[in-house]
Amino acid sequence: DQQVKQNSPSLSVQEGRISILNCDYTNSMFDYFLWYKKYPAEGPTFLISISSIKDKNEDGRFTVFLNKSAKHLSLHIVPSQPGDSAVYFCAAKSRGSTLGRLYFGRGTQLTVWP
Amino acid sequence: EAGVVQSPRYKIIEKKQPVAFWCNPISGHNTLYWYLQNLGQGPELLIRYENEEAVDDSQLPKDRFSAERLKGVDSTLKIQPAELGDSAVYLCASSPSGGLAVSEQFFGPGTRLTVL
Repeated sequence: DQQVKQNSPSLSVQEGRISILNCDYTNSMFDYFLWYKKYPAEGPTFLISISSIKDKNEDGRFTVFLNKSAKHLSLHIVPSQPGDSAVYFCAAKSRGSTLGRLYFGRGTQLTVWP
Repeated sequence: EAGVVQSPRYKIIEKKQPVAFWCNPISGHNTLYWYLQNLGQGPELLIRYENEEAVDDSQLPKDRFSAERLKGVDSTLKIQPAELGDSAVYLCASSPSGGLAVSEQFFGPGTRLTVL
């Protein structure tokens, strides 16, 4: 039962344009959301996060938007750069009995071409 | 600051053989996690430690998997005996605190296991 869903396995964007990666979740107990970036043969690295009490968080070129009513979040990268090419994982943390456990989506492979 | 260290990076074994993975977390991080990542999937938690105590091991297949963190620092994950379906990447992560504190987890590079 996938509680965090990334329905697009891949996304291809031209350099300089906006990349939008989407994520949906089903568990209403999730109260904190994170995006991780993963290069081949490396572990995931933290990118940006957002608490459920907010609807937007921005860090440089990266912005995460949260729509609680739709149980949807998105990561915007503007402008996209070739070095952004990686797999992006959406993750969520629950305030319920599994405190501390992160639930990951399957990831979206972003390719930024020149 | 050194990151999470894992060894070996790659391991190839035959089915029914035992295998062990080692993890050294970031200095000062009390919480340690072992994740399993199958091809095309996101990481799934196997076990979480707060210092020496395993506080969340509900996803660990205890018939063949075991883990330990004896002194609250390094950790070892073992599979005995390995099965073909265990082929995956095993990721270790650490964070300064778990539970109620909100903190991102820092991941190691993983151990890619291939069971033949």
